[in-house]
Amino acid sequence: GAGVSQSPSNKVTEKGKDVELRCDPISGHTALYWYRQSLGQGLEFLIYFQGNSAPDKSGLPSDRFSAERTGGSVSTLTIQRTQQEDSAVYLCASSFQSGGAQPQHFGDGTRLSIL
Amino acid sequence: AQTVTQSQPEMSVQEAETVTLSCTYDTSENNYYLFWYKQPPSRQMILVIRQEAYKQQNATENRFSVNFQKAAKSFSLKISDSQLGDTAMYFCAHGSSNTGKLIFGQGTTLQVKP
Repeated sequence: GAGVSQSPSNKVTEKGKDVELRCDPISGHTALYWYRQSLGQGLEFLIYFQGNSAPDKSGLPSDRFSAERTGGSVSTLTIQRTQQEDSAVYLCASSFQSGGAQPQHFGDGTRLSIL
Repeated sequence: AQTVTQSQPEMSVQEAETVTLSCTYDTSENNYYLFWYKQPPSRQMILVIRQEAYKQQNATENRFSVNFQKAAKSFSLKISDSQLGDTAMYFCAHGSSNTGKLIFGQGTTLQVKP
């Protein structure tokens, strides 16, 4: 497809389980970003990847959160031992390059609900 | 650290009228970008308009324009001739010039009434 694709659209899981969220960026985009949006709130930066450089993990809220990007394309955000406060919409965005000059294109997000 | 503040949680406007959404920010960067994004109920974030901090001229995109006051660190969005399809949540964001990492405000829910 032409846009950023995220899967699953919705995920419901029990507290303590691990979850994996997937992001497929726009082809050719070298920069990829993950954000978290809690109910009725703004987006909170989590992590960003640029090409082969080390990712900027400064926004990850705890060591239960990790992300990887394989082959410079698809990215997976993993949350281990989920807690109820992890419930949120997780949004992925990509851009042609990193830097503010490049607009970020967002996916539709994954709504994560922790029971 | 960068912060973005939107002081209007909710606003409403009559169709065809003009509305202004407020945004203030704080930044330690000399070169940066400012954005307004729209998020309709479909959840997808849509870029409305972008302003480069080193440009004095206010950005304009059709019915959308900004009032960028760099010294005051203010970046308001004006929507002219409001349409029902403008109903959405609007987010102001600061973008790092180097990384592009976005820092968002809390959002303003705008309802356009027929």
